Formats: sequence, structure tokens, C-alpha cells
Amino acid sequence: DIQMTQSPSTLSASVGDRVTITCRASQSVSSWLAWYQQKPGKAPKLLIYKASSLETGVPSRFSGSGSGTEFTLTISSLQPDDFATYYCQHYNSYYQTFGQGTKLEIK
Amino acid sequence: QVQLVQSGAEVKKPGTSVKVSCKASGYTFISYYMYWVRQAPGQGLEWMGIINSRGGSTNYAQKFQGRVTMTRDTSTSTVYMELSSLRSEDTAVYYCARGYSYGDFWGQGTLVTVSS
Repeated sequence: DIQMTQSPSTLSASVGDRVTITCRASQSVSSWLAWYQQKPGKAPKLLIYKASSLETGVPSRFSGSGSGTEFTLTISSLQPDDFATYYCQHYNSYYQTFGQGTKLEIK
Repeated sequence: QVQLVQSGAEVKKPGTSVKVSCKASGYTFISYYMYWVRQAPGQGLEWMGIINSRGGSTNYAQKFQGRVTMTRDTSTSTVYMELSSLRSEDTAVYYCARGYSYGDFWGQGTLVTVSS
């Protein structure tokens, strides 16, 4: 099975900062990768799909890049609403796997 | 608007089964797959399996093979996830999500607590 590893596990940042979260796959997953944001007690929210496509309604400060085994989620200027946990997800035909999550905290 | 509304919280004893429902509205039910993800307290997301809402075919994560059954009722636009032989480690919030790949809409989650 393909393993997805996120780094860092926890990230402390301030409003206005530019932050990057990395997701690495144990083998190539092409561009079949999504990113989600999850707040406590809420369902995950889709941000990015196919590695770099922004979901409708998601602010443009979120962007995704990468292919193969290394991917990044970048938030260009952190807003108060962005402090949450972020997950990457690899998907293919009939199978999915998530990274362990990155908690973005207020510094 | 697309909505996925899940059934309410459950408390179950070890060794029993639980069946969680997910009722879809706001789109053509049979046009989308549905999958299930669970999240243990303080932990990450774990994919459980997927069902083709049109034909009913399923694929389950190896970890849950033999214990999970996903079904659907096209007349009510509802999918079900039944997990059997429950143990304390199955205590989690269970989510349904629409999609064959990434999940663009999610249910609100159903807390299943397994306790003697």
C-alpha cells in the first residue's frame, strides 16, 4: 500500500505568514492528490484536488503543487480562519489513503 | 444544494454491530460514488471503503474486510455502512463523503462509541 507522510506534524505561525505543508508518497501517485482542511468537531473540507486544482469557493491564498512523490500546500498569507488541521489524500481507482495530518497553530 | 445527512450518535457494546446511514439530497444520487472515512478521538482520517451508488459494487480497505458492509437504497438516496464485531478501538466519528476520488461534500459525522 502507498503511504502518505506529511511534514511537519505541527506548525506554529502568525497571521500574515506564508506557510507550506509537505506531503510525500512512498511511491509515485502522479497528480492524484487532494488537500483538506479540518476544524475541531467538523467534517473535512476539500481545498485542492488533482494536486493543484483549487476547489470552487476556496480562497486563492491556498495553492497546491507537485507530482509524483512530493507535494506541497501553500497558504500565501495566513488568515485567522486558517488555523486548523490539514490532510493530504492520495486517491486512485477504488482506493484512498490519507496523510497523518498537520496541525497549524497560532504562534 | 448538496447535502449529506447522517444518522445520530450510537453507543454499542463490544461484539455487536452498528449501521450508520447517510441520506443524500441536492444532486442525482446514482451519478456519484460514496465513501466512508472514520476518525478516532484525536487521530487522523482513515478510509474504510467505497460504494458505487448506481450499481452497488463496493471496495473495502483491507483492514475492514469481513467486518464492514456498505449498501445503498436508490429509492431514498441513502447509503449505509454497517460495521460488525465492534471493539473499543472502533470508537470514532464516521463520515460519508461524495466522490469516486476526492470528497467534495461530506456528511456531518456520526459518533459511534463502543463501550461495555
